[in-house]
Amino acid sequence: DAMVIQNPRYQVTQFGKPVTLSCSQTLNHNVMYWYQQKSSQAPKLLFHYYDKDFNNEADTPDNFQSRRPNTSFCFLDIRSPGLGDAAMYLCATRKTRTGNQPQHFGDGTRLSIL
Amino acid sequence: DAKTTQPPSMDCAEGRAANLPCNHSTISGNEYVYWYRQIHSQGPQYIIHGLKNNETNEMASLIITEDRKSSTLILPHATLRDTAVYYCIAFTGANSKLTFGKGITLSVRP
Repeated sequence: DAMVIQNPRYQVTQFGKPVTLSCSQTLNHNVMYWYQQKSSQAPKLLFHYYDKDFNNEADTPDNFQSRRPNTSFCFLDIRSPGLGDAAMYLCATRKTRTGNQPQHFGDGTRLSIL
Repeated sequence: DAKTTQPPSMDCAEGRAANLPCNHSTISGNEYVYWYRQIHSQGPQYIIHGLKNNETNEMASLIITEDRKSSTLILPHATLRDTAVYYCIAFTGANSKLTFGKGITLSVRP
């Protein structure tokens, strides 16, 4: 059974129209991550939450925001999507911020911009 | 976290062992070697990790050299479904950032 669930798997939005991607987890993990993966590239970390503590990567554009209303759910908001934001967006979780545990990934949401 | 270096691609025959190399010559004493794979259109999947000792699980074996400067992921009996990009990552866990390199594309041929 999927433990990190991303909906929808495919999302199409218009240039400049705000879009929200969703992630939920059944693992009760404290840490949740959002990665961006463009075609033929490796995943790139955008930000993560440790519990309610938000940690932004230095090079993540302001256009990208995130919300974590509770342990199970985390959202990625793109305020004004540009053509360059077309990518696969991956959510991942980890039990704690430190220690010897792997991250668990969802299957991603592929975002297309018209 | 230490940089890792992997060949861009390799292939192997179905049913044979696939040995995927990784160099991490600047790895520090508290960095683990993690392996993930990503099958097309799916999220990365955790395979295995280790610090010093060789590790084995139901998916693969991880062989780490004594000086910890390199490692090999072994898929003992590769199947067509093992075709994927495999990422070797040095990770302490302390700062919680898993940084992906370019990985190695494994193609399993019939």
